Amino acid sequence: QQQVKQSPQSLIVQKGGISIINCAYENTAFDYFPWYQQFPGKGPALLIAIRPDVSEKKEGRFTISFNKSAKQFSLHIMDSQPGDSATYFCAASQRVNEKLTFGTGTRLTIIP
Amino acid sequence: KAGVTQTPRYLIKTRGQQVTLSCSPISGHRSVSWYQQTPGQGLQFLFEYFSETQRNKGNFPGRFSGRQFSNSRSEMNVSTLELGDSALYLCASSNVEKEQYFGPGTRLTVT
Repeated sequence: QQQVKQSPQSLIVQKGGISIINCAYENTAFDYFPWYQQFPGKGPALLIAIRPDVSEKKEGRFTISFNKSAKQFSLHIMDSQPGDSATYFCAASQRVNEKLTFGTGTRLTIIP
Repeated sequence: KAGVTQTPRYLIKTRGQQVTLSCSPISGHRSVSWYQQTPGQGLQFLFEYFSETQRNKGNFPGRFSGRQFSNSRSEMNVSTLELGDSALYLCASSNVEKEQYFGPGTRLTVT
């Protein structure tokens, strides 16, 4: 059972543009929603995370928007740069345990 | 602080053999989780250890096992290897805020 659905599977954005990746979850017990960035040959790196008591969190060029009623959250990358080209994973978990349920990933390519 | 370290980074084994992978968490982190990453199934949770006790387990067969030592270092073991076990095995350690930080992974190839 896929509990976290991620879209799109791949995304091409021009340098300087906004990259948007969406995720939807089913389990209403989830209360922690991180995003990870993974480069080829590397482990996932924690990018930014949000808890459902806020609707938005911003860290530099990265913003998470969270819609609890729709059970959706998204990652926005402002002023996208070629160095942002990577695979991005959304995830969700219940704070009472450490099990992260991951989305299927989005391969982001930033073109000059 | 040093990040999560995993050894070995690459491993080639033959079907039927067993393998042990090692993970050293970030200093001060007491929880260690293991994940399997494959192109077909994505990132899947294997198990999590805290204070030498398994707290959570994913939907993997009993051939997959793990343990944690008193210094929080962890090992996972896969017995009777199958071709489908070929994957990137990732270890993550958690801080008190339950933020998980991943290591570089061990690339296991089963032939």
